[in-house]
Amino acid sequence: EPEVTQTPSHQVTQMGQEVILRCVPISNHLYFYWYRQILGQKVEFLVSFYNNEISEKSEIFDDQFSVERPDGSNFTLKIRSTKLEDSAMYFCASMQAGNQPQHFGDGTRLSIL
Amino acid sequence: RKEVEQDPGPFNVPEGATVAFNCTYSNSASQSFFWYRQDCRKEPKLLMSVYSSGNEDGRFTAQLNRASQYISLLIRDSKLSDSATYLCVVNIDFTGGGNKLTFGTGTQLKVEL
Repeated sequence: EPEVTQTPSHQVTQMGQEVILRCVPISNHLYFYWYRQILGQKVEFLVSFYNNEISEKSEIFDDQFSVERPDGSNFTLKIRSTKLEDSAMYFCASMQAGNQPQHFGDGTRLSIL
Repeated sequence: RKEVEQDPGPFNVPEGATVAFNCTYSNSASQSFFWYRQDCRKEPKLLMSVYSSGNEDGRFTAQLNRASQYISLLIRDSKLSDSATYLCVVNIDFTGGGNKLTFGTGTQLKVEL
């Protein structure tokens, strides 16, 4: 069964550094997402991406965050200047078409020191 | 009021028991509904979509009541492998073309011998 893949599985970064999280969505999917889950809390929406542009973003997704689909397969989340509170599990998801379920990658654990 | 509300549990049940989870959502514009399961520190995995007519997948039955904004999940003949956190998830489409999933905090199930 096709799956969403994410790299790295764990990223440790100093506060203030830039970090890029990478995702390869399922190949025939058209909609892409990033979510995060702080330890012990619920999964929170960050951003949705369709047709090469952001279609929706949450209040969490401020100017420090950006997303890109640099080629036909990768979907990246960049955090420009990381803060301690950015420590969380970051999940990428993709969806084939509207109202279909979203399929999640196994996540990147981001630890900010 | 929380966007998606669930009893956090834990529900501790013996193998073979039937267990029911409930969920309420606040946004009447929500269009589609899902149950996901999440194992400890893993990604959310789709369990099933939820339809107004009710739907069943093996030992799992989901129900949606749009008038009451209420979603349920019934697990029959529970197995040890059903131990996980069950996430009630609501999708909202935006007029600009974007959409997002909103997650409940999850209900923890522990199935015991």
